[in-house]
Amino acid sequence: GAVVSQHPSRVICKSGTSVKIECRSLDFQATTMFWYRQFPKQSLMLMATSNEGSKATYEQGVEKDKFLINHASLTLSTLTVTSAHPEDSSFYICSARDLGARANYGYTFGSGTRLTVV
Amino acid sequence: AQSVTQLGSHVSVSEGALVLLRCNYSSSVPPYLFWYVQYPNQGLQLLLKYTSAATLVKGINGFEAEFKKSETSFHLTKPSAHMSDAAEYFCAVSLPNQAGTALIFGKGTTLSVSS
Repeated sequence: GAVVSQHPSRVICKSGTSVKIECRSLDFQATTMFWYRQFPKQSLMLMATSNEGSKATYEQGVEKDKFLINHASLTLSTLTVTSAHPEDSSFYICSARDLGARANYGYTFGSGTRLTVV
Repeated sequence: AQSVTQLGSHVSVSEGALVLLRCNYSSSVPPYLFWYVQYPNQGLQLLLKYTSAATLVKGINGFEAEFKKSETSFHLTKPSAHMSDAAEYFCAVSLPNQAGTALIFGKGTTLSVSS
């Protein structure tokens, strides 16, 4: 089935530094990928929709300059948390949709990245 | 716009008892509906999905859900709970056949299973 690989799974960084999270579709092409954020014991909140070769679409309230998204190829999207602060600590999850018949229009999720800013 | 509402943030059952997790949806067009399970510090695992075929959908681990348009519901059930079912469950909705449409999640229901 469709597989999405997300790295790193855990990262600890100092305040003020930047962190890049990668999301790769391993066996299908993903024109669009999605980035979610999940706070402890809460639901997944959509942050942005990443489109290959064009600018990402951000949800209301998400800072574009803080959360930089790049989708340079059909299999890779990256989320860079710039000038990270402790309040950015969260669980970040990417997702891609495989419209191929074998996947029956299902969404596939990465395993998530636990970001801790100290 | 699409949305889902999960009734009950926490459900507790005994091992062997029926599991019922409730989900109601709102959508301007016939939606696709999904149930996911999440274990602590892990990603999401798809349990089952409704994509406009059979209204009764069977998923993994003995779970099933029934799409009821008249009730705008997609409740998740399992006849007999196992201890390993204890986890967070999310109902989600999307528009069909549109690659650029993200899944929208409910707030989640924590399922506890006691022995």
